[in-house]
Amino acid sequence: QAGLTQPPSVSKGLRQTATLTCTGNSNNVGNQGAAWLQQHQGHPPKLLSYRNNNRPSGISERFSASRSGNTASLTITGLQPEDEADYYCSAWDSSLSVWVFGGGTKLTVL
Amino acid sequence: QITLKESGPTLVKPTQTLTLTCTFSGFSLSTSGVGVGWIRQPPGKALEWLALIYWNDDKRYSPSLKSRLTITKDTSKNQVVLTMTNMDPVDTATYYCAHNGMDVWGQGTTVTVSS
Repeated sequence: QAGLTQPPSVSKGLRQTATLTCTGNSNNVGNQGAAWLQQHQGHPPKLLSYRNNNRPSGISERFSASRSGNTASLTITGLQPEDEADYYCSAWDSSLSVWVFGGGTKLTVL
Repeated sequence: QITLKESGPTLVKPTQTLTLTCTFSGFSLSTSGVGVGWIRQPPGKALEWLALIYWNDDKRYSPSLKSRLTITKDTSKNQVVLTMTNMDPVDTATYYCAHNGMDVWGQGTTVTVSS
């Protein structure tokens, strides 16, 4: 069951910019911000950013996150073939005291 | 370097109880602020958060699965154990454990529920 809303799919061309969105509510995205995870087929998810735009060590600057109200966004610039993956957002829900996930967005790089 | 590894049965029968172990290194679950969580992913589907245990033994569960889940820790062994009762074929999934805030994940373990 997905607590956050993500578009199922996004397609963009090579070297273009993709923006993925994640909508929650004031108890999760609007309060704690969102984390973004990338998952390639057959691999575990990898954290790309947390609390809106903090990137773990080793994550490319091509990945940047932001938030406006209850909607978080992940922008990927200069799309590369290896960016083709599933992207999940997640947020801590302060009302439920649980993590919630989005349903994931499949990014296709044309 | 933080690492986590999940272990447990690959096949369980309906109504049985699943027990999964997450063995980790590179951090201690006795350190203030640290937690370990479990997340699962049915084949071809989205991630689903299951449970989380903190250094102080505070525990959080998915509301929809709370009645079936138990999470415990063994700090001396650097392990976190998740049990899920009354398994059903819909619980077939890859089960992951992850460090605090999901910054580091294990490779996952695939569990199939079938008679």
